[in-house]
Amino acid sequence: DSGVTQTPKHLITATGQRVTLRCSPRSGDLSVYWYQQSLDQGLQFLIQYYNGEERAKGNILERFSAQQFPDLHSELNLSSLELGDSALYFCASSVVGRDLNTEAFFGQGTRLTVV
Amino acid sequence: GQNIDQPTEMTATEGAIVQINCTYQTSGFNGLFWYQQHAGEAPTFLSYNVLDGLEEKGRFSSFLSRSKGYSYLLLKELQMKDSASYLCAVRVAGSGGSYIPTFGRGTSLIVHP
Repeated sequence: DSGVTQTPKHLITATGQRVTLRCSPRSGDLSVYWYQQSLDQGLQFLIQYYNGEERAKGNILERFSAQQFPDLHSELNLSSLELGDSALYFCASSVVGRDLNTEAFFGQGTRLTVV
Repeated sequence: GQNIDQPTEMTATEGAIVQINCTYQTSGFNGLFWYQQHAGEAPTFLSYNVLDGLEEKGRFSSFLSRSKGYSYLLLKELQMKDSASYLCAVRVAGSGGSYIPTFGRGTSLIVHP
């Protein structure tokens, strides 16, 4: 158990809908990363938050957004869903946003299926 | 941009040694990680290299050459449970002063009896 909690574990929804994925980082970790992993792609970095503020953006679509709350949990919002958004969405946390050798700990992921 | 290359798939025999290579071309390099991921599960941390050389941790070792943009993960005394995907991730400087782990597509290792 990495200490990173993601809910829900599975989500099935229809095209055009909106969903929210939730992540609770490890206790004490200030930095949260969101990744998307589909069958034909590796882990694609979406966005990072550090202590409530957006720190870095990757290949995140405009239909997607995220935020980190004062208690450090984070939510990833996916809207106007398309079939191609079906993937595993991982949240990872680390102690700090910039440092020397802290690895990221991953949650178990949310498997999103868009039908 | 970032470019991280790993072989797509490798097979090996139980009890043997296997070396998984990773080459990268990035800007703002700040360390290289190896993660193990079983199908449908979360990646789990294996090793971290920021300086050139070999880091050994039990049956797993990882090597880095920054001048060559090259790393390998060495797995010894292979066990069936080592069948998994092995992800090479390079930490690069992102916007806002942060460092982002950027992943390769992973190498699927199949260990057979």
